[in-house]
Amino acid sequence: ETGVTQTPRHLVMGMTNKKSLKCEQHLGHNAMYWYKQSAKKPLELMFVYSLEERVENNSVPSRFSPECPNSSHLFLHLHTLQPEDSALYLCASSQAGGPDEQFFGPGTRLTVL
Amino acid sequence: AQSVSQHNHHVILSEAASLELGCNYSYGGTVNLFWYVQYPGQHLQLLLKYFSGDPLVKGIKGFEAEFIKSKFSFNLRKPSVQWSDTAEYFCAVIQTDSWGKFQFGAGTQVVVTP
Repeated sequence: ETGVTQTPRHLVMGMTNKKSLKCEQHLGHNAMYWYKQSAKKPLELMFVYSLEERVENNSVPSRFSPECPNSSHLFLHLHTLQPEDSALYLCASSQAGGPDEQFFGPGTRLTVL
Repeated sequence: AQSVSQHNHHVILSEAASLELGCNYSYGGTVNLFWYVQYPGQHLQLLLKYFSGDPLVKGIKGFEAEFIKSKFSFNLRKPSVQWSDTAEYFCAVIQTDSWGKFQFGAGTQVVVTP
């Protein structure tokens, strides 16, 4: 148990669907992150939120839309995805959004048909 | 471009063998360094980290890593591996003036055979 939970753990969706990934952290942190993990590639940082404000958007396509309603919850809204978006999406949290350890959730395995 | 390079993508070794995984980074400024491990079906977990001080850091499960600033390296070692060390290992680097912008290596898959 990491203190960072993600739902759903697996998701299959068509290219015209709209779905959302949810992340919740129980560690009292105030920064949260979305990463994309594809096979044999480095983890790609997608979004960074610190104190509920987006401080980083790493050139992510607009079909991915993050939302951070409070410091404990982070969402990733998905719409009109492409098959190449199939990957493991990881959520992480840390204290203060600085250069310290990040705590990761188990991920959502996304398959886009 | 800034990057983190892990030298081996796949390593197979027998129990009790020694393990060393290479990690090099290309940032010019001050950095914090991390090794994470991902066991099959589990989340990423921190093995160890280096911020400053003694360049030889010890982590959990008998792992250690050495920071060599002149070589921009942070290699991970374990003197004697166990079957339970089978996992994927990721090196990560973050600039100390960064907004949580970790840069990860591509990972090294380690398989330990009984």
